[in-house]
This record gives sequence, structure tokens and C-alpha cells, in this order.
Amino acid sequence: RKEVEQDPGPFNVPEGATVAFNCTYSNSASQSFFWYRQDCRKEPKLLMSVYSSGNEDGRFTAQLNRASQYISLLIRDSKLSDSATYLCVVNPSYSGGYQKVTFGIGTKLQVIP
Amino acid sequence: NAGVMQNPRHLVRRRGQEARLRCSPMKGHSHVYWYRQLPEEGLKFMVYLQKENIIDESGMPKERFSAEFPKEGPSILRIQQVVRGDSAAYFCASSPRLRDRNEKLFFGSGTQLSVL
Repeated sequence: RKEVEQDPGPFNVPEGATVAFNCTYSNSASQSFFWYRQDCRKEPKLLMSVYSSGNEDGRFTAQLNRASQYISLLIRDSKLSDSATYLCVVNPSYSGGYQKVTFGIGTKLQVIP
Repeated sequence: NAGVMQNPRHLVRRRGQEARLRCSPMKGHSHVYWYRQLPEEGLKFMVYLQKENIIDESGMPKERFSAEFPKEGPSILRIQQVVRGDSAAYFCASSPRLRDRNEKLFFGSGTQLSVL
């Protein structure tokens, strides 16, 4: 089983739609979780951290379910500019103080006019 | 405050040549990570360095690949005798001295290596 698993998609959704991605992780001792966004093979950029209590940033909501070992990202009112690949990122453990994170393969989102 | 700087953006090498990829972390950052992204694959951790020290190279291929982060100057990822399978995007990331496991990584724009 992969450390971090994502559905690669693509998810094709119309503008204004709500779309959700899930990501599962295998290491129950994982400490921290993030969603990154990557455009067209450019560098990944942090979208948001994911906290146990769930967190929201504008149209984006991230949730963590430790019992089932998955995190989710919900995007409301999709914009054309949301088209990108969304990377699930997990820090497997507190690795002596550094970020040896594991990236999922990414889920590709295409928002259609 | 300049971001993470990588150069070159694109590097073309013939099989058997050497490739040198450079990364200057953000000002004030002392941790550097190298990741490789093969076509249609996720980013894979290669190596983590602090100034003058390799802390974790568990993701580095055993042969032909090496990395350094000298006291002065950028971090260098060196690939000797490149083969076609080395063609990929190589991303460098940096982070400040860690106090919080949620501290984020800042990525450079990457070097696209193409081996002919």
C-alpha cells in the first residue's frame, strides 16, 4: 500500500460547482498534513494545512479523519483559476525535527466554463 | 525577500554527461530538501541537508547522485553519467529552523532535466 494515495482524476467540473477530493495515508503515526497546489509542472505551493478540528479558508475547507486515516479538500463555487493538480502531503512522523513529507501523486482538477 | 532560487530552469544533457543543479534557499533558511518528479508521478523525496551536513539521503539513488550544501554558496545536486531515466523535474525546497512540525516548505521553480 502506498504511503499516500490519491485519485489522479481528472475531475472535470463546471464553474460554480462544489468538488471534493480525498486522500488516504497508511502511517497512523503521521503528524501533520497539508494540501499543496501545483500548476502545469510548476513548483508546488502550499494551499492549506489540515488540522484535526478542520479548517476553512474562503472557498476551501480541509478536514482530517484520523480514525479512517484520510484527509479531504472541499472546494466550493469552483473558479476557472482553480484548475490545477492538488497534492496531498503527509509528514509521516516527527522525523527528528525536519519535514520529511510524502507527496501523493496529485488529483487533477479541470474547471470548465 | 527573494524566494528559493533554482538554476538552471532547463538543462539538456546527453547520456553520459554530468548534470549540476543549484538551489539557493530563502534568506534565513538553513534546511534544504531535494525532490524529483518524474512525468505523471508525484514528488519523491531525495535528500535533506543542512549547512555542510547531509541529514537524510534515504531517497537518493545509490550511484551517480550526490548532494552538498556548503557553508558558502548554493546547494548542489550532482548527477554523474546521466541516463534517459534521469529526465525529470527536480525541485528544491527550504524551510527555516524548525520549531513547529507544521512549518511549511517553500519550493523553488524547479529544474527540468532532459537527457537526450
